[in-house]
Amino acid sequence: EPEVTQTPSHQVTQMGQEVILRCVPISNHLYFYWYRQILGQKVEFLVSFYNNEISEKSEIFDDQFSVERPDGSNFTLKIRSTKLEDSAMYFCASSPRAGTEAFFGQGTRLTVV
Amino acid sequence: DQQVKQNSPSLSVQEGRISILNCDYTNSMFDYFLWYKKYPAEGPTFLISISSIKDKNEDGRFTVFLNKSAKHLSLHIVPSQPGDSAVYFCAASDGYSGAGSYQLTFGKGTKLSVIP
Repeated sequence: EPEVTQTPSHQVTQMGQEVILRCVPISNHLYFYWYRQILGQKVEFLVSFYNNEISEKSEIFDDQFSVERPDGSNFTLKIRSTKLEDSAMYFCASSPRAGTEAFFGQGTRLTVV
Repeated sequence: DQQVKQNSPSLSVQEGRISILNCDYTNSMFDYFLWYKKYPAEGPTFLISISSIKDKNEDGRFTVFLNKSAKHLSLHIVPSQPGDSAVYFCAASDGYSGAGSYQLTFGKGTKLSVIP
């Protein structure tokens, strides 16, 4: 069964460093997303991406964040200068159409020290 | 601003019995609702969904009921099995009709424990 894959599974980084989280969405899906979950809190939307551009972003997704689809398969989230409060599980997701079920990867646990 | 609320943080049910997980929402523009199941250290797994034009959708042991007038949905699991023990998230979207946003809005989750 097709699935969304994310790498790495765990990333530890020093405050102020740049991190890139990688995702391979399901191949025939057109909509791509990043969500995050801070420990003990709910899953929060960060950004959606369609037709090679950001279609929607939340207040969390400030200038420190960027997304890219550098080729036909990968979808990346970059955090330019990490802060302690960026520590969370980051989930990539994809869906065949907007506003319906999104299929999630297993997540990347980001720890900023 | 909790647009999707799951007021029960946890639920314990005996194996073989029915599990009922509840979810309330405040945004009347939501037109698509989903349930996800999540194990620790894994991503949410899609379970079942329902559009706002329906009031019930069934898939095997899982049934979702939607009461639009009450802005309430529920997930029924019958019979409950120990492997169903996980955190269940309710989510909603206003983009199903094509006019709304792309994102899913999640509730905080209910931890279901099925006791053998």
